[in-house]
Amino acid sequence: KNEVEQSPQNLTAQEGEFITINCSYSVGISALHWLQQHPGGGIVSLFMLSSGKKKHGRLIATINIQEKHSSLHITASHPRDSAVYICAVMVRRSGGSNYKLTFGKGTLLTVNP
Amino acid sequence: ETGVTQSPTHLIKTRGQQVTLRCSSQSGHNTVSWYQQALGQGPQFIFQYYREEENGRGNFPPRFSGLQFPNYSSELNVNALELDDSALYLCASSADLIADTQYFGPGTRLTVL
Repeated sequence: KNEVEQSPQNLTAQEGEFITINCSYSVGISALHWLQQHPGGGIVSLFMLSSGKKKHGRLIATINIQEKHSSLHITASHPRDSAVYICAVMVRRSGGSNYKLTFGKGTLLTVNP
Repeated sequence: ETGVTQSPTHLIKTRGQQVTLRCSSQSGHNTVSWYQQALGQGPQFIFQYYREEENGRGNFPPRFSGLQFPNYSSELNVNALELDDSALYLCASSADLIADTQYFGPGTRLTVL
């Protein structure tokens, strides 16, 4: 079982729909990242969360540390939101000051006009 | 624009060859991490450098090695290339070690024939 699980794997929506992507993790974390990856590879960091909720424009990210679960919401979705959305958790490695990101496999979102 | 650049964009090598991939971080970013992303998968952590010292390593063999330089640039070297090394290689930098926003480069797509 992967340490980070995302659902759904693929999501198709109509323009204007409200979208939710979920992320569950099984390890203790110091922070959780939501990332966006467009075709061709470039990754953009959307949010870094360690508690509560963050909002940026039409994007909202929430995290429940007790339940080890986070959600990314997109309101009024638009075709330009089409991308792969990746959840990644920052995990402290055993001993020392080593931290590493462990990634989910991503959710491919397609928003049709 | 994340301020992180990678070169080359694309690279084709044959099995057994050696390759060096380069990453230039934002000025002041002391931490750089390298990731391998196979097609259809989330990125996998290769290793992290902090102030020119390796600061953590994922499950990759020793033929994957790295360097970080004082000018905020870094290298990923892969010896004895194997077909399975074909992937997108991403570097990400951050100002500090702990749970900081990660700034990703656009990636280098390596194909091993």
